[in-house]
Amino acid sequence: DVKVTQSSRYLVKRTGEKVFLECVQDMDHENMFWYRQDPGLGLRLIYFSYDVKMKEKGDIPEGYSVSREKKERFSLILESASTNQTSMYLCASTGQGPYNEQFFGPGTRLTVL
Amino acid sequence: AQTVTQSQPEMSVQEAETVTLSCTYDTSESDYYLFWYKQPPSRQMILVIRQEAYKQQNATENRFSVNFQKAAKSFSLKISDSQLGDAAMYFCAYRGNTGNQFYFGTGTSLTVIP
Repeated sequence: DVKVTQSSRYLVKRTGEKVFLECVQDMDHENMFWYRQDPGLGLRLIYFSYDVKMKEKGDIPEGYSVSREKKERFSLILESASTNQTSMYLCASTGQGPYNEQFFGPGTRLTVL
Repeated sequence: AQTVTQSQPEMSVQEAETVTLSCTYDTSESDYYLFWYKQPPSRQMILVIRQEAYKQQNATENRFSVNFQKAAKSFSLKISDSQLGDAAMYFCAYRGNTGNQFYFGTGTSLTVIP
């Protein structure tokens, strides 16, 4: 059974803290994605990675960075968390080729106080 | 960038009835892929159905089918014989034939009334 896992389902942090969200996939997928999901706004792409150590900015990269040191792991970093980063964060992965669907993790609901 | 529009933020359907969720998209590409995803409350997002743009035949998966109108850039999802387990947020998504990015609509929240 294919899987994308995320390190936490719920996370509460304080303003200014450095936050790490981790995502692991076991499907040997080349492509991995971080989205932010907010009511009425759908899924907005923060960053994606198409290979180890490769990354590309999505639509809303400001305030975020990412790391992909190993193929199966893609981390999202909030350098200095702010209250407007309170959201649901979804990780996804997909294989090469446009036919392939994205597989999603369960999400991390982050609250920044 | 491509845009995907879901104009129905919320929909409801009686159990056992049929409901259609709308999706339109904007693209200049001729070859691409379209997807419908389902996100049940507090559960993982999963694929419902996909459609290749070069295929004229509409995709079907059991009670789920699509009405793909390429010229109109429309991709609606029909759910037949609705069940309580169909209650979820549904997202329409687009992926071009080149590149790795997916583009999602804002979602439609479906309520199934017993």
